[in-house]
Amino acid sequence: GAVVSQHPSRVICKSGTSVKIECRSLDFQATTMFWYRQFPKQSLMLMATSNEGSKATYEQGVEKDKFLINHASLTLSTLTVTSAHPEDSSFYICSAREAGSYEQYFGPGTRLTVT
Amino acid sequence: KNEVEQSPQNLTAQEGEFITINCSYSVGISALHWLQQHPGGGIVSLFMLSSGKKKHGRLIATINIQEKHSSLHITASHPRDSAVYICAVSGAGSYQLTFGKGTKLSVIP
Repeated sequence: GAVVSQHPSRVICKSGTSVKIECRSLDFQATTMFWYRQFPKQSLMLMATSNEGSKATYEQGVEKDKFLINHASLTLSTLTVTSAHPEDSSFYICSAREAGSYEQYFGPGTRLTVT
Repeated sequence: KNEVEQSPQNLTAQEGEFITINCSYSVGISALHWLQQHPGGGIVSLFMLSSGKKKHGRLIATINIQEKHSSLHITASHPRDSAVYICAVSGAGSYQLTFGKGTKLSVIP
């Protein structure tokens, strides 16, 4: 089956620093990648949708200058949390889909802790 | 905007029991997804369906498009089935998912 990886799985960073999270589709070409955020005991919240080679579309309330998304190739999208603050601490999950399919394949997630 | 409702929110079952989790949605969809999230956080896609019924091992998913309702069944439940099960729908012509709040299943030996 299709596999999506995320790196790192866990990261602890200091307030004010930036953190980059990678999302890779390992055995298929991901036309679209989605970035989600999940708080404890809550459902996933869509942050942004990125299509390969074009700018990401951010959901209302998500700061595009704080959460930089790059989808430069059909197998890699990155989310950079800039000038991280403790309130950015969360579980970040990506998913990917290939052209012509509604199926989404999820990455294992990245737990970010900002101290 | 689609509203996705799941029931029950929490479910505790004895090992071996037959389990049903329900999902209803308010607006027409392209596809309905059943996802499984373990305590570690990773999400596995169990089923994607737009009509009828699908089966994989001990898991069965059904959908009734007219009634806007889907069910996930687990036969002969096992403690390793303990997880949060999430129903999500793709709106008509959209690839974005709208998620239910999830059902936390605990299977006791």
